[in-house]
Amino acid sequence: QVQLVESGGGVVQPGGSLRLSCAASGFTFSTYAMHWVRQAPGKGLEWVAFIWYDGSDKKYADSVKGRFTISRDNSKNTVYLQMNSLRAEDTAVYYCVRDPGGSFDYWGQGTLVTVSS
Amino acid sequence: DVVMTQSPLSLPVTLGQPASFSCRSSQSLVHSDGNTYLNWFQQRPGQSPRRLIYKVSNRDSGVPDRFSGSGSGTDFTLEISRVEADDVGVYYCMQGAHWPPTFGGGTKVEIK
Repeated sequence: QVQLVESGGGVVQPGGSLRLSCAASGFTFSTYAMHWVRQAPGKGLEWVAFIWYDGSDKKYADSVKGRFTISRDNSKNTVYLQMNSLRAEDTAVYYCVRDPGGSFDYWGQGTLVTVSS
Repeated sequence: DVVMTQSPLSLPVTLGQPASFSCRSSQSLVHSDGNTYLNWFQQRPGQSPRRLIYKVSNRDSGVPDRFSGSGSGTDFTLEISRVEADDVGVYYCMQGAHWPPTFGGGTKVEIK
């Protein structure tokens, strides 16, 4: 069955960096676009970043553009989110999500990122 | 960006009774390929979101047929024919027709 397992979250000071990973299994990873979506504590869902199946196209929310970088390694069935210059407002659970085309069909369990001094 | 507006914010429901949620988009969700990319997600307390409905009215595998989606253009509805205790949580609509993908603010379902 499809599984997406995020890791790499934790507590970081403002201005710091973290790299999130999402290990995929149960499907042909190299044929699917992937996204990161976040949810601040007690808030709704916010799309963060997208990467095409082969990594040839990437898109970012304005709120993270220039600070976050999405990448993938299809040989390792893993998608990454490098987060730099972190701010308090980046505090959220970050979900890795599969995109079959115009939708998000499978979500990981999420990893919590807390930006605090 | 396409703004997705959900109502109501909160919906107290009686077990066994129907429930209905509204989602409106600031522009048509009909893609140039002819599909309407409107999705519904359920997020139970403490869990990740789970997709229930895609392309307006298609139920995901394992989703009870108590859930149904309808609508077109900019106005969409999710209905639960008979609410069960397991349905408590927040329901989000999401559009995938235009960049960037955007979510509604959610409707919280609780049992009366």
